[in-house]
Amino acid sequence: QKEVEQNSGPLSVPEGAIASLNCTYSDRGSQSFFWYRQYSGKSPELIMFIYSNGDKEDGRFTAQLNKASQYVSLLIRDSQPSDSATYLCAVNMEGDNDMRFGAGTRLTVKP
Amino acid sequence: ETGVTQSPTHLIKTRGQQVTLRCSSQSGHNTVSWYQQALGQGPQFIFQYYREEENGRGNFPPRFSGLQFPNYSSELNVNALELDDSALYLCASSLDRTYEQFFGPGTRLTVL
Repeated sequence: QKEVEQNSGPLSVPEGAIASLNCTYSDRGSQSFFWYRQYSGKSPELIMFIYSNGDKEDGRFTAQLNKASQYVSLLIRDSQPSDSATYLCAVNMEGDNDMRFGAGTRLTVKP
Repeated sequence: ETGVTQSPTHLIKTRGQQVTLRCSSQSGHNTVSWYQQALGQGPQFIFQYYREEENGRGNFPPRFSGLQFPNYSSELNVNALELDDSALYLCASSLDRTYEQFFGPGTRLTVL
């Protein structure tokens, strides 16, 4: 079983819609959760991080964490074509220096 | 504020050769982590350096080694290159080992 799993996609949404990206993780000791955006041929860019159960909002982005169900999600409201990229979920356990990434979900926002 | 930089941008090597990749951390950051990203995969943690000491290592063989300098820049060395080492190598810097880390542009290594 992979430690961090994401649907590889592609996920396609129309411009202006809400894009919902999901990630599950296997290790219950995981403490910190991160979402990165990676444009083709570029390096990952940190979008958001979340440590506590519940929702965390930053502009058009909302991260949701449910530790009991071991999933974390990212919602992108009012999706724009410029949001088209691969979104990487990353998980870290307290005291562990190993940041574990999922393989990413490719999002396409169609004008 | 200077961001994370890496050199070289691209590199082509042959099997068995050795390679050194370089990373300059963001201004004020004292922690550098190295990752390998194969095509279509997420980054895989190689190791982390904090204040010139190795501070954790992923599941990579000893032929992957590194160091960090007093100015917190870092090198990744790979000996005895194999075809499967072909990947994008990313370094990320952060402050005091936090995982709010910022990635450099990466070095694309091709092993023939």
